[in-house]
Amino acid sequence: KQEVTQIPAALSVPEGENLVLNCSFTDSAIYNLQWFRQDPGKGLTSLLLIQSSQREQTSGRLNASLDKSSGRSTLYIAASQPGDSATYLCAVRPGRGSTLGRLYFGRGTQLTVWP
Amino acid sequence: DTAVSQTPKYLVTQMGNDKSIKCEQNLGHDTMYWYKQDSKKFLKIMFSYNNKELIINETVPNRFSPKSPDKAHLNLHINSLELGDSAVYFCASSQEEGDEQFFGPGTRLTVL
Repeated sequence: KQEVTQIPAALSVPEGENLVLNCSFTDSAIYNLQWFRQDPGKGLTSLLLIQSSQREQTSGRLNASLDKSSGRSTLYIAASQPGDSATYLCAVRPGRGSTLGRLYFGRGTQLTVWP
Repeated sequence: DTAVSQTPKYLVTQMGNDKSIKCEQNLGHDTMYWYKQDSKKFLKIMFSYNNKELIINETVPNRFSPKSPDKAHLNLHINSLELGDSAVYFCASSQEEGDEQFFGPGTRLTVL
């Protein structure tokens, strides 16, 4: 069974810092990996989706990388801002042969960016 | 212009009652999901439907019954509510099963 771990569980940084959030998964046979952010009391917002054949995806100040063979993904946030404060969730989708719709979530990294 | 919507946003009820949560998506997606987020914020899939057909049914008590009247709607009916059912329930959708999933705002269920 796929297990997803996110480190650190919480992170508090001053505005302007570049950040790296880590995600690891136990079964490297994934179809793709999706990063989300969750604001308090709100739903999940999809940030980036990386297919298993890709090494990285970029959106604005966000860059997500994927090393499938080692079971790792990182989310890089450049020039962090207070508005980036949220919980960041990593989720993996099992590879073909399994039910593709099933997402396995990590427990998230709670990020606080202070001015 | 809301993509995935859920009603109600908050639901407070007594043990033993029956309640429903509604979900609608206007993205034209074929696949819809229900997730449960527990008190420790851990998200776990409960069900998925593709074109109104049940695809995923996790180990969920059969007090929980999803119903998909059409592709745009996936409702969750819960019978005989228990204290342990208190959680936030999220609906999501994607074009196909392996595609990017989009989530609704969640329904916070509190069972007293």
